[in-house]
Amino acid sequence: DGGITQSPKYLFRKEGQNVTLSCEQNLNHDAMYWYRQDPGQGLRLIYYSQIVNDFQKGDIAEGYSVSREKKESFPLTVTSAQKNPTAFYLCASSRETGGPHTQYFGPGTRLTVL
Amino acid sequence: GESVGLHLPTLSVQEGDNSIINCAYSNSASDYFIWYKQESGKGPQFIIDIRSNMDKRQGQRVTVLLNKTVKHLSLQIAATQPGDSAVYFCAENMGGATNKLIFGTGTLLAVQP
Repeated sequence: DGGITQSPKYLFRKEGQNVTLSCEQNLNHDAMYWYRQDPGQGLRLIYYSQIVNDFQKGDIAEGYSVSREKKESFPLTVTSAQKNPTAFYLCASSRETGGPHTQYFGPGTRLTVL
Repeated sequence: GESVGLHLPTLSVQEGDNSIINCAYSNSASDYFIWYKQESGKGPQFIIDIRSNMDKRQGQRVTVLLNKTVKHLSLQIAATQPGDSAVYFCAENMGGATNKLIFGTGTLLAVQP
C-alpha cells in the first residue's frame, strides 16, 4: 500500500450522520484522490486535489466534501446528503508534475450505513 | 474483458498456465495506461504501466500489450500462481492538465491448483 494509510478500516454510520474518513501519505506526492467502489464495479472518482488548499469535484461529488490543508492529508467527509453511502472508499496519491503518473492506493475504508 | 454491471467477467486458469486478461479502453486520446491487481478487501496494487508511444512492455512475469488501432489493452501473466488470484483492472489516463484515470470494471482471475 506504499506509504498511504487510511483509517478506520471499517466504519459504521447511522442514517443522518456525517462521517469523516482519513487519508495520509508520506510519499511527498502533490496529488491526492478519493474513489468509491461498489461490489463488482470499477472505481469512480469523488474528489481530487492537485495541490494544497485546492481540490476539484470528480464524477460523483454530490453528498461528499473534502479539505486539503496539508500536503500529506486529504480527509473525506460523507455527509447525510449522500443517499447511498455504503461502499468501499479508496484514497490514492500521485506525483503531479511532468506528465501522466501512476496513482498509488491505500488499503481502503469500508463504510456501512445501518 | 470488461463489462458493465455487478457480474465481473471471470477467467479461470490452471496453476502454471499463462493468463491473458483483456481490456477495451474508451478514449483514443488516452496516453498512459495502468494495470492494477486488487485482492479481496484491499486497495488496488500497481502491476505495470505503458505509455501510448509503446506497443509492449515487460515486467517480472507480466507483459502488457497495447493496440491503439482498436483501443485494446491486454495483460499477460506467465506461469500463473495461486497468489495471482484477484480482480485485475485496467485504467486509462485521459491526458491534459490533470492526472485523472478512468477505470474498467475489472476481471476476476481464478487460479485452480
